[in-house]
Amino acid sequence: NAGVMQNPRHLVRRRGQEARLRCSPMKGHSHVYWYRQLPEEGLKFMVYLQKENIIDESGMPKERFSAEFPKEGPSILRIQQVVRGDSAAYFCASSPSFGERSGYTFGSGTRLTVV
Amino acid sequence: QKEVEQDPGPLSVPEGAIVSLNCTYSNSAFQYFMWYRQYSRKGPELLMYTYSSGNKEDGRFTAQVDKSSKYISLFIRDSQPSDSATYLCAMSASNNQGGKLIFGQGTELSVKP
Repeated sequence: NAGVMQNPRHLVRRRGQEARLRCSPMKGHSHVYWYRQLPEEGLKFMVYLQKENIIDESGMPKERFSAEFPKEGPSILRIQQVVRGDSAAYFCASSPSFGERSGYTFGSGTRLTVV
Repeated sequence: QKEVEQDPGPLSVPEGAIVSLNCTYSNSAFQYFMWYRQYSRKGPELLMYTYSSGNKEDGRFTAQVDKSSKYISLFIRDSQPSDSATYLCAMSASNNQGGKLIFGQGTELSVKP
């Protein structure tokens, strides 16, 4: 049973380009969470999605960032017009049920570098 | 003030030592408490989960929650070089929507052979 799969593992973008990060949850999991980890900081919650539904986006920056989890395919975190401050590790996690609070499974992350 | 405070370390101990890692928090609504271990360039891995107050033991690891003091701890007995990693505490409130976790900054631990 494969774990949470994130790709790409590393992504380099020039300022102003778009970044697309993909996350395939564990088999049987229909809930996805995105977190961002800046250097020397802990993980910060960004968004919680269920298939075709955004449940909680309280941690998403108001501009340039969007997320989706379609009925078919992986969840996508999209960052438009990237800036240097977007450079970070982005982690996705999945759970089998709504509002899972007993901890969930994380992927290995996508490390975004904006040059 | 951050909702969750954690000393970033680094913490260096000799092999076999008992390690104590701690977090304090300010939100009295937190009911769910977790410890994650994160190796360099990897995703966080769930180590321990505790609901409300009390102790929980799993092998060499013991998690403690003191809600009256808003203080949680992770103890590692007989520490091994393979325990060298960053340890993150995480918490969740019962009144939030979904399973949003609030993380501490993480403590970097190094166990020397």
